[in-house]
Amino acid sequence: GENVEQHPSTLSVQEGDSAVIKCTYSDSASNYFPWYKQELGKRPQLIIDIRSNVGEKKDQRIAVTLNKTAKHFSLHITETQPEDSAVYFCAAISGGGADGLTFGKGTHLIIQP
Amino acid sequence: DAGVIQSPRHEVTEMGQEVTLRCKPISGHNSLFWYRQTMMRGLELLIYFNNNVPIDDSGMPEDRFSAKMPNASFSTLKIQPSEPRDSAVYFCASTERVGGKRYFGPGTRLTVL
Repeated sequence: GENVEQHPSTLSVQEGDSAVIKCTYSDSASNYFPWYKQELGKRPQLIIDIRSNVGEKKDQRIAVTLNKTAKHFSLHITETQPEDSAVYFCAAISGGGADGLTFGKGTHLIIQP
Repeated sequence: DAGVIQSPRHEVTEMGQEVTLRCKPISGHNSLFWYRQTMMRGLELLIYFNNNVPIDDSGMPEDRFSAKMPNASFSTLKIQPSEPRDSAVYFCASTERVGGKRYFGPGTRLTVL
């Protein structure tokens, strides 16, 4: 099955700086890579996703890049704000018709004022 | 749309008791997923259904866990008998189609004493 590795586990950045979270996956047939943000005590919320037919996608301050050859993808947050503080999860769907998302272990992002 | 609905939101029970968690997916969504979240193991896929049919239950920890989806608008996850190590937040998620964006419910926080 799919295996998703995520790092770092904790990331502390100054407000206004950029944050980058990286993930690798094992199944070369995986074709869908979403990112979720989870605030304390709340549900994971989809913030951006990318499919294997594109290399980059942006949505305001958030961007995701995908390198299929190296089997890794990254989340980039620019001009970080206090409300960006949360746990971020990457995920991948295995290929071959399976539809169960495999999640990384999460990155606790801390925005320092 | 009300989003994915889960009940109860909190459940405290004693070891050995039966626990039933409930989920109503977003109307029109054809796939439903049950996840478990703990600090140690992160977000784990337990089982998912497509068009009410269980597709992959390889994540169900053991025979004490069972899940059903009698119709397109309702699913249950049952634990019988419950054990303290089952304490976790259980999330239900749904998606409109295979490989589509999936949306999480608010979760059920289960505590087994």
